[in-house]
Amino acid sequence: GQNIDQPTEMTATEGAIVQINCTYQTSGFNGLFWYQQHAGEAPTFLSYNVLDGLEEKGRFSSFLSRSKGYSYLLLKELQMKDSASYLCAVKDSNYQLIWGAGTKLIIKP
Amino acid sequence: TAGITQAPTSQILAAGRSMTLRCTQDMRHNAMYWYRQDLGLGLRLIHYSNTAGTTGKGEVPDGYSVSRANTDDFPLTLASSVPSQTSVYFCASSDGRGGNTEAFFGQGTRLTVV
Repeated sequence: GQNIDQPTEMTATEGAIVQINCTYQTSGFNGLFWYQQHAGEAPTFLSYNVLDGLEEKGRFSSFLSRSKGYSYLLLKELQMKDSASYLCAVKDSNYQLIWGAGTKLIIKP
Repeated sequence: TAGITQAPTSQILAAGRSMTLRCTQDMRHNAMYWYRQDLGLGLRLIHYSNTAGTTGKGEVPDGYSVSRANTDDFPLTLASSVPSQTSVYFCASSDGRGGNTEAFFGQGTRLTVV
């Protein structure tokens, strides 16, 4: 079956750096997405990786290793507004998005 | 503001009753999706539509039906609701289904079946 694994919850301190990991096993691979979802709101797009390596977007970076079925989202200079769930999703061979359960990130002052 | 609009925002429904969740987008996206989100589980695809006039079943289609009469609207119908359909429902759209096309989500409908 297809599977996306990510930690359920993480805690970090304001101003620090946090890395959220995602491992996947899917039938085919057409890219990996990270979304942010604040409580009670809709998911919003953060990043897309299809080739190995690091993609940087301001305070957020996303890394992909296709051979290892692994990605991480790196958040720097954490702010209180970064408290949210972070969803990892992979497009499979049918271009269907397979979603992880999400990682709830708690930021403490 | 362009985007996806879902209605209603929340609803309490008696088991056995039918209900239609509405979804409208004004981005002229070809592909539209209905997901349900339950605590501890990832978003699960209920039904999708690659273009107006076509629909397909997702991972959890039982108990739900959809139609896609035009590009903008993609309603989801529960013909005879059951408590296990209590969930948050998200409608989404994307400009095609290619690799790098991101999905845009509506604000969600919180449905409670009692």
